[in-house]
Amino acid sequence: DGGITQSPKYLFRKEGQNVTLSCEQNLNHDAMYWYRQDPGQGLRLIYYSQIVNDFQKGDIAEGYSVSREKKESFPLTVTSAQKNPTAFYLCASSRERSSASYEQYFGPGTRLTVT
Amino acid sequence: AQSVTQLDSHVSVSEGTPVLLRCNYSSSYSPSLFWYVQHPNKGLQLLLKYTSAATLVKGINGFEAEFKKSETSFHLTKPSAHMSDAAEYFCVVSEKGNTGFQKLVFGTGTRLLVSP
Repeated sequence: DGGITQSPKYLFRKEGQNVTLSCEQNLNHDAMYWYRQDPGQGLRLIYYSQIVNDFQKGDIAEGYSVSREKKESFPLTVTSAQKNPTAFYLCASSRERSSASYEQYFGPGTRLTVT
Repeated sequence: AQSVTQLDSHVSVSEGTPVLLRCNYSSSYSPSLFWYVQHPNKGLQLLLKYTSAATLVKGINGFEAEFKKSETSFHLTKPSAHMSDAAEYFCVVSEKGNTGFQKLVFGTGTRLLVSP
């Protein structure tokens, strides 16, 4: 089955610790994205990658970092510099980075709780 | 910049009655528009998309949406609600970002409640 997997589903961390969220896709998509979702809000773009070894900041990149060493993988690190890290994180991918008409496919999400 | 307004944060219907979820967008050119559905603690699933072909778009699970350029609207409808339709629905417009990539702009969502 083709799709996007995110792990773990739930993650708990102490304040001040960095944490890495996994995102893997086997759809052979070029572009991958990370979003953050907070209650009552739409999704906000953290980082995106159009191709291997390249990534760009989205609207709310402060306190986050990413890497794209393989086409299939786009891990997100939530650093201790992120002021409000508790949220639901969604990874997505799309077939072609430059087309506005291709839909994005979403993973099941990781709920991060930092105390 | 493009934007999306979902006019209702919550919509309540009875099972078997019609569903209408409203969405207005602003765009400087012909947009691509999407409706996604999200069940609790799940990822988003595409319901349907409009990409400048037919203005009436049919999606999965009996949903459809009509693109009305004159009204800048893309409302989502379903003739008869089912209990399994209870979820959060997002209207989304796609735009080209400043580096040529596809950027999705999300509405704030409409929670659909379906009562027996």
